[in-house]
Amino acid sequence: DAGITQSPRHKVTETGTPVTLRCHQTENHRYMYWYRQDPGHGLRLIHYSYGVKDTDKGEVSDGYSVSRSKTEDFLLTLESATSSQTSVYFCAIRVTGTETQYFGPGTRLLVL
Amino acid sequence: GQQVMQIPQYQHVQEGEDFTTYCNSSTTLSNIQWYKQRPGGHPVFLIQLVKSGEVKKQKRLTFQFGEAKKNSSLHITATQTTDVGTYFCAISFGNEKLTFGTGTRLTIIP
Repeated sequence: DAGITQSPRHKVTETGTPVTLRCHQTENHRYMYWYRQDPGHGLRLIHYSYGVKDTDKGEVSDGYSVSRSKTEDFLLTLESATSSQTSVYFCAIRVTGTETQYFGPGTRLLVL
Repeated sequence: GQQVMQIPQYQHVQEGEDFTTYCNSSTTLSNIQWYKQRPGGHPVFLIQLVKSGEVKKQKRLTFQFGEAKKNSSLHITATQTTDVGTYFCAISFGNEKLTFGTGTRLTIIP
């Protein structure tokens, strides 16, 4: 699965606390993506990166920030978690030269 | 924004019956991809269709891209319990992003 790992895999947190999710890839792909998945909404793009320190917003970026200081790591931060951010978060990479994406195993986040 | 409608949202079939899910766009697509997500798992790439009228097969799965490149279908012949999951189409317009359909959840009645 393109050497993608996500951490943590599960997290429970309280409203108002900061949360950082990490995506790590081992194959040096340029493009990385963060999605959230909720029932009835499919996969929605939060932010994506097209290189180190190069990021852009997706369709549901409010309340989220990202950082990419190294090719292999793409971090998603919820500055102040809210219950509406309870979701499953998937990281993905785009295979170089194609439009195909490979996904990490996901992080289940519960905000109480 | 770019949107794709996927139907049905749910499909329950008896094992051995056929299954089809459809994706429709109001605009002409450059290509369309299909992904499968098993319960509790992550989306897995199945195939990409690029050409008008293209038909591709993977064992019992048949993928079609419409002549006008505005719609696509995934058909499974003689479903098996291993086919359980949610099937997503995804579209792009030559940029860096994919837009996913809302998915069709397939359940199999043994």
